[in-house]
Amino acid sequence: EPEVTQTPSHQVTQMGQEVILRCVPISNHLYFYWYRQILGQKVEFLVSFYNNEISEKSEIFDDQFSVERPDGSNFTLKIRSTKLEDSAMYFCASSEQGVNSPLHFGNGTRLTVT
Amino acid sequence: GDSVTQMEGPVTLSEEAFLTINCTYTATGYPSLFWYVQYPGEGLQLLLKATKADDKGSNKGFEATYRKETTSFHLEKGSVQVSDSAVYFCALSAPRGGSRLTFGEGTQLTVNP
Repeated sequence: EPEVTQTPSHQVTQMGQEVILRCVPISNHLYFYWYRQILGQKVEFLVSFYNNEISEKSEIFDDQFSVERPDGSNFTLKIRSTKLEDSAMYFCASSEQGVNSPLHFGNGTRLTVT
Repeated sequence: GDSVTQMEGPVTLSEEAFLTINCTYTATGYPSLFWYVQYPGEGLQLLLKATKADDKGSNKGFEATYRKETTSFHLEKGSVQVSDSAVYFCALSAPRGGSRLTFGEGTQLTVNP
């Protein structure tokens, strides 16, 4: 069964550094998402992406964050200048027809900012 | 804003026990409701959903009924198995459109043989 893949599985970075989290969504899916889960807290929506542009973003997704689909297969989340509070598990997801069709999640990237 | 509240975990049951995980929501209008499950080392996956009041979602022996009057979507299974051990997330999508899921806290279920 096709799946969403995320790399790396664990990323450690120093405060102030830029990180890029990578995702390969399922190939025939058109909608892409990033969510994050800070340890012990809820899974939170960051951003959705459709037709090569952001369709919705949350209050968390400020100017430090950006997303890109640089080619036909990858979907990336960039954090420009990481802060300690960015430490979390970041999940990429994709779906065929938007949020009311099943979202397929990757296994996540654990980001640790020191 | 929209929100989802799940019963506090973790939940530990013996095999073949009855499972209920409570979920209530707050939203304007009538959202779609979902249960997602995360098995150890894997990403979240959709378990079941219901898109309107009184709908019952079901999958793999799990069921949940969309109750508008109590704004609830409790997850039930009559006889759990060890393989059901996972984290269960209740979620909603806004009725006014949009593309985000709002998740509950997640409930860790452990089933012992």
